[in-house]
Amino acid sequence: EIVLTQSPGTLSLSPGERGTLSCRASQSVDSSYLAWYQQKPGQAPRLLVYGASSRATGIPDRFSGSGSGTDFTLTISRLEPEDFAVYYCQQYDRSPFTFGPGTKVHIK
Amino acid sequence: EVQLVESGGDLVQPGGSLRLSCAASGFTFSVYGMNWVRQAPGKGLEWLSYISGGSSTIYYADSVKGRFTISRDNAKSSLYLQMYSLRDEDTAVYYCARYGDRQIDYWGQGTLVTVSS
Repeated sequence: EIVLTQSPGTLSLSPGERGTLSCRASQSVDSSYLAWYQQKPGQAPRLLVYGASSRATGIPDRFSGSGSGTDFTLTISRLEPEDFAVYYCQQYDRSPFTFGPGTKVHIK
Repeated sequence: EVQLVESGGDLVQPGGSLRLSCAASGFTFSVYGMNWVRQAPGKGLEWLSYISGGSSTIYYADSVKGRFTISRDNAKSSLYLQMYSLRDEDTAVYYCARYGDRQIDYWGQGTLVTVSS
């Protein structure tokens, strides 16, 4: 099983700041099968980035993904108030299609 | 517009069974793989199961293998999750989710399953 580890667990930032979220895999993951999701309280998750670096439809360009192999990054260039949420990475390379434990981004 | 609507969540006793359903609309259901994902209260997302469009490929997480069965009826554009031998730790919101181009691209709003005596 591919274990995904996300860091930090919690990120305290102010609006306008840059946020860098990490997702590390226990084995190499085909970057085509690495995605990032955003979840706000009481809501279903929303796809942000797929294929490690492609933004999903309607996602603002302040969100960007990068990485390959075992190390992947989601960057939020300038945090907007609506970006404070929990972010998950997920791999679809090999079953079981595991999620990371999430990074909570909250207002400093 | 893609819509996924889950139903069937309920309060059930430990050891009991429950069947969840997901009604899909707004896309050609038979073409897409589908997933079940759950989220325990205050916890993260846990992928449970995947079924391909034609039901030829099925995967399960170890935590539910042998207890849960995923299935689909393409004629009814519906996805199902039959759950047996439910445990306290199965208490969660269960999401139906579409597998798009190498990732989950649409999620339902979830249905709550509570396992408690």
